[in-house]
Amino acid sequence: GAVVSQHPSRVICKSGTSVKIECRSLDFQATTMFWYRQFPKKSLMLMATSNEGSKATYEQGVEKDKFLINHASLTLSTLTVTSAHPEDSSFYICSAQAGAYNEQFFGPGTRLTVL
Amino acid sequence: KNEVEQSPQNLTAQEGEFITINCSYSVGISALHWLQQHPGGGIVSLFMLSSGKKKHGRLIATINIQEKHSSLHITASHPRDSAVYICAVAHMEYGNKLVFGAGTILRVKS
Repeated sequence: GAVVSQHPSRVICKSGTSVKIECRSLDFQATTMFWYRQFPKKSLMLMATSNEGSKATYEQGVEKDKFLINHASLTLSTLTVTSAHPEDSSFYICSAQAGAYNEQFFGPGTRLTVL
Repeated sequence: KNEVEQSPQNLTAQEGEFITINCSYSVGISALHWLQQHPGGGIVSLFMLSSGKKKHGRLIATINIQEKHSSLHITASHPRDSAVYICAVAHMEYGNKLVFGAGTILRVKS
């Protein structure tokens, strides 16, 4: 299958700082990228859907000013956790899709720990 | 009731055993995905199917659209198959966004 990378794989930051996570589709053009959050021993929760060149669509309850998403190109989307707090500590996973009915390919995830 | 139900929640098998994980859903879908998540978190897409049956190596996935049910089978299981297996459906009413099951924790003992 296609390859999606995420960077960094793990980040520890102080409370109040901002953290940027990158998601790249390495061998295909992703018209749509999704950002998920996973709490320990829970399934994935969709945070937002981003289409290249347009504003992201956020799920209910997800603060768009807190979780800034940019989908600047067909191979790169970024998630910035602004003014991070310990409750933002989680596992963040992105996925990329080449077309509306195509398979989603998942990144390896980024574990964020906010001290 | 969750829109996607998986069973069993936990499964322990002996190496070599045939394993079946089930997924039932209650909504209209355009596709169903089986995903694998290893400890450490990375998710691998195993199958995407909308009808019939797919096979890849020792893995087989089937779907019955009328019964809204899918199964993932692992033949000749191996300890390296130990992982969480997640069923996810592309929900037609939600613009084909994925709705996830809670996952099945599989442990294969040698």
